[in-house]
Amino acid sequence: DIQMTQSPSSLSASVGDRVTITCQASQYISNYLNWYQQKLGKAPRLLIYDASNLKTGVPSRFSGSRSGTDFTFTISSLQPEDIATYYCQQYDDLPWTFGQGTKVEIK
Amino acid sequence: QVQLVESGGGLVKPGGSLRLSCATSGFTFSDYYMTWIRQAPGKGLEWVSYISSSGSTIYYADSVKGRFTISRDNAKNSMYLQMNSLRAEDTAVYYCARTVAVAGTRGLDPWGQGTLVTVSS
Repeated sequence: DIQMTQSPSSLSASVGDRVTITCQASQYISNYLNWYQQKLGKAPRLLIYDASNLKTGVPSRFSGSRSGTDFTFTISSLQPEDIATYYCQQYDDLPWTFGQGTKVEIK
Repeated sequence: QVQLVESGGGLVKPGGSLRLSCATSGFTFSDYYMTWIRQAPGKGLEWVSYISSSGSTIYYADSVKGRFTISRDNAKNSMYLQMNSLRAEDTAVYYCARTVAVAGTRGLDPWGQGTLVTVSS
């Protein structure tokens, strides 16, 4: 199985801060990676697909990028409504696997 | 609008069975792959199974293979997960998700609200 190592597991930042989350794949997965947001008690929501494509309707402060097997998810200016847990997910090969999640809190 | 509603969760004893349903509306169900994902209490997400639009292609996670069966009824715009020989480690919220499968792109969007399955004696 492809392992997705996501870090950090949690972070605390101030409103307006730039927040960065990383996911490292255990093998090459091209751009076959998505990012999801899960608010407390809710279902996850797709934010970014194919590593860097923003889903329609998702605020532009969210972005994603890839360098080799390393993937980065960025919130350019953290807002109170961004409090959530974020997950990466690879779909290069079955079983589809998720990172462990990053819980984002407001400082 | 697109809606997915899971049902069928509940408390079941180890070794028991449950059948989950995912009722959909707001899109052409027969055009989409569908996926089940689960989340144990306080834990991360685990992909469980997916089924192609026609039902001809099915995959399972090793953790449920041989015990769970995914199916769909395109006439009823619904997907199902028959869960047999349930174990304590199957305790989780089970989500269904519409699965985008265009060229090489795959995405789980949107998700249902989830249904809780608790396996306990």
